[in-house]
Amino acid sequence: NAGVTQTPKFQVLKTGQSMTLQCAQDMNHEYMSWYRQDPGMGLRLIHYSVGAGITDQGEVPNGYNVSRSTTEDFPLRLLSAAPSQTSVYFCASKVLAGGSGANVLTFGAGSRLTVL
Amino acid sequence: ELKVEQNPLFLSMQEGKNYTIYCNYSTTSDRLYWYRQDPGKSLESLFVLLSNGAVKQEGRLMASLDTKARLSTLHITAAVHDLSATYFCAGRSGAGSYQLTFGKGTKLSVIP
Repeated sequence: NAGVTQTPKFQVLKTGQSMTLQCAQDMNHEYMSWYRQDPGMGLRLIHYSVGAGITDQGEVPNGYNVSRSTTEDFPLRLLSAAPSQTSVYFCASKVLAGGSGANVLTFGAGSRLTVL
Repeated sequence: ELKVEQNPLFLSMQEGKNYTIYCNYSTTSDRLYWYRQDPGKSLESLFVLLSNGAVKQEGRLMASLDTKARLSTLHITAAVHDLSATYFCAGRSGAGSYQLTFGKGTKLSVIP
């Protein structure tokens, strides 16, 4: 997970509360993205960004907002949390994989969110 | 829309045995990724397969890609307990895109 830092690691919210999951990378990478992981569902893309000031929706964007004011940070906001947003959230950045010469996504450690 | 299917979803195998995890995808994907996830941890990149016929090997794991069949395989040779984890494959639907579509994962348990 070197280079992609997520906070907090754990969070419990009540329905209707808002919060922001933080993601930061110090590798000067343009591309960043957010995924959620639910049991038996694999990872699903929420939002992504190809650079500062540019964001776009993924497969499951509803209920989430993002912004990218700097290259380093890509926060994910839940404006009014719902129990369906209980999940593990991963932030990812594109990095050059050693040996292959190709880019891969490297993931942060994850943020486990529970909405009651 | 790219869809990625893995099978099996659960795999229990004895140490020393060989097995293969299959990853089928529905439309063109110019590369295929394999990741490993240990319980409660993040995803770790294992392989990226760039072209038809590509084969990558690391230790007891070997991944291959057949773009014509839209199939990638992850072969496990002489399994050991340390390989117990969940393995994901992922594809991308456009060149230059990093919006990956993941399979549901294969949970591998290697038992003595």
